[in-house]
Amino acid sequence: AQKITQTQPGMFVQEKEAVTLDCTYDTSDPSYGLFWYKQPSSGEMIFLIYQGSYDQQNATEGRYSLNFQKARKSANLVISASQLGDSAMYFCAMREVRNSGNTPLVFGKGTRLSVIA
Amino acid sequence: DARVTQTPRHKVTEMGQEVTMRCQPILGHNTVFWYRQTMMQGLELLAYFRNRAPLDDSGMPKDRFSAEMPDATLATLKIQPSEPRDSAVYFCASGLWTSSTDTQYFGPGTRLTVL
Repeated sequence: AQKITQTQPGMFVQEKEAVTLDCTYDTSDPSYGLFWYKQPSSGEMIFLIYQGSYDQQNATEGRYSLNFQKARKSANLVISASQLGDSAMYFCAMREVRNSGNTPLVFGKGTRLSVIA
Repeated sequence: DARVTQTPRHKVTEMGQEVTMRCQPILGHNTVFWYRQTMMQGLELLAYFRNRAPLDDSGMPKDRFSAEMPDATLATLKIQPSEPRDSAVYFCASGLWTSSTDTQYFGPGTRLTVL
């Protein structure tokens, strides 16, 4: 069974600084995908970034990058140059690739990020 | 800008009443998911469909929950009878089945309160 652990219930970061949100995962499958979603106070879930287990390079999307360390089973999200609008809940999620399709995601409990001016 | 839509956005009802939540997936998406978010359990899968066929509904309490896709543009989640423990935010998400790299796009959610 898959499991996602986010150990930081809350984080604070100064505006314009970088911040790392931790995520560790557990799976017995050799193929899997890792996702990060952002949930602002409005409640919507916004897809940020994806990393496949066989991807050689860490994924990047604008100010977001995923620090993927396969041996440690960690997939930390790095947000560079934090902005006030980054204040939100952040969820790490994964799916196994068994069926090679868009299968359900398993989510962590989330980390609430607060950006301070 | 294609989006998943959900109605209603908010629902307050009394215990024992029927609740129906609706979802319109992004046009062309053939996979639809229903998730529930609570403070205690976080985000958990209730059911999902591919090409309108249910693939897994093991996350739903079978005696009171039902999920259907009457057509490709509408997914419904019904609770009958509702109970206070059903209070949660219910998210619909859609995506393409083509690849495991495909992401899921979430609707705004239905916030359900059962009194």
